[in-house]
Amino acid sequence: QLQLLESGPGLVKPSETLSLTCTVSRESVRSSSYYWGWIRQPPGKGLEWIGSIYYSGNTYYNPSLKSRVTISADTSKNDISLRLTSVTVTDTAVYYCGQYRGPSTGYGIDVWGQGITVIVSS
Amino acid sequence: QSALTQPASVSGSPGQSLTISCSGSSSDIGLYNFVSWYQHHPGQAPKLLIYDVSTRPPGVSFRFSGSKSGSSASLTISGLQAEDEAVYYCSSYTTISTLVFGGGTKLTVL
Repeated sequence: QLQLLESGPGLVKPSETLSLTCTVSRESVRSSSYYWGWIRQPPGKGLEWIGSIYYSGNTYYNPSLKSRVTISADTSKNDISLRLTSVTVTDTAVYYCGQYRGPSTGYGIDVWGQGITVIVSS
Repeated sequence: QSALTQPASVSGSPGQSLTISCSGSSSDIGLYNFVSWYQHHPGQAPKLLIYDVSTRPPGVSFRFSGSKSGSSASLTISGLQAEDEAVYYCSSYTTISTLVFGGGTKLTVL
């Protein structure tokens, strides 16, 4: 069964770049019709969709984060990366990666990673 | 894009049924039948309960059901159980090819 595992630094300084990786197991990031996304949950708040990358390489971003976000896929490592630039304390959150299959399953995210906590602090 | 609107909290007694609402707009719920619902227990990853407004993935209890009317969607939980205590989120696909979540509803089982 498909598994996702987030990794990266747990502490990032303000104004720096947050970089996370989602390692995909038992499925290829190039598998047809799959979307690979990033979602976050700030402390005490709800889920926020950050963006996603389609198997074809097309990317889609939350308009509120678009100017700072880049999501990419490394087919040689079979992983998905998230880069968020110029972070502030409001970017402190649990970051999840997730997989969904688009319209065939109503864009429901049916596989989630365990999440990784990232704190933005000097 | 604006977050979908959910009540902050709901509560019910074991065995009861309750409904959580999710209000959107003509740019998301009102335009697409791509509404999903998630159950989120603290410290765990969210779990997909419903997609396509009312379809349950394999393994999800029949006690969870979804519906939609206009730009609003609902999740109904029947036969409430203690293990249902969690935060529930709705989500929708949007006209700009993004996903948007609701603010979440904390369900308390009395």
